[in-house]
Amino acid sequence: SAVISQKPSRDICQRGTSLTIQCQVDSQVTMMFWYRQQPGQSLTLIATANQGSEATYESGFVIDKFPISRPNLTFSTLTVSNMSPEDSSIYLCSVAAAYSYEQYFGPGTRLTVT
Amino acid sequence: KQEVTQIPAALSVPEGENLVLNCSFTDSAIYNLQWFRQDPGKGLTSLLLIQSSQREQTSGRLNASLDKSSGRSTLYIAASQPGDSATYLCAVRRNSGYALNFGKGTSLLVTP
Repeated sequence: SAVISQKPSRDICQRGTSLTIQCQVDSQVTMMFWYRQQPGQSLTLIATANQGSEATYESGFVIDKFPISRPNLTFSTLTVSNMSPEDSSIYLCSVAAAYSYEQYFGPGTRLTVT
Repeated sequence: KQEVTQIPAALSVPEGENLVLNCSFTDSAIYNLQWFRQDPGKGLTSLLLIQSSQREQTSGRLNASLDKSSGRSTLYIAASQPGDSATYLCAVRRNSGYALNFGKGTSLLVTP
């Protein structure tokens, strides 16, 4: 299994600002994903971070709000732009194993928007 | 749209009991099903992965079964311990794409 780290682990931000979350993996992986876990809700996939091309967003999520970078096979960033209190969530990075597609998750970033 | 439901939402048992957590899903066209554990304030830990062609997987005191045709999976925990206290999440991957559809989880408390 991969070891995944995220920065920051938590943050409190003001409405209208942006936060960039970093995800680092200890090995090269093809498939990397960003999920959101809103309070009391299920985890929801935001997008698949593609190396060398634009991210693939799920229905309801747009690039202007959640721009994603994937400069190489071990690193990705998710930016939450123009934040509102509704963006208060845990944001999790995950990767999938090459053959089994078993997914592994980072520790998450707990974001509170005031 | 795939809907994943977990029952019960919360469960409290005394140490040593065997217990079963349930997961149901509405679309049987799944690629695999994964059970996770989430501790408070932490990320998810993968417990078991069952491919769509498999019926069950075992790891230590954990056993997960899959009945794809009926849209059900169960996670069996034998001889529960206080350290098993956590939220257990079930997630299914569709045949198309990579997204995991998660249930809301079962919050388990094992009391000494």
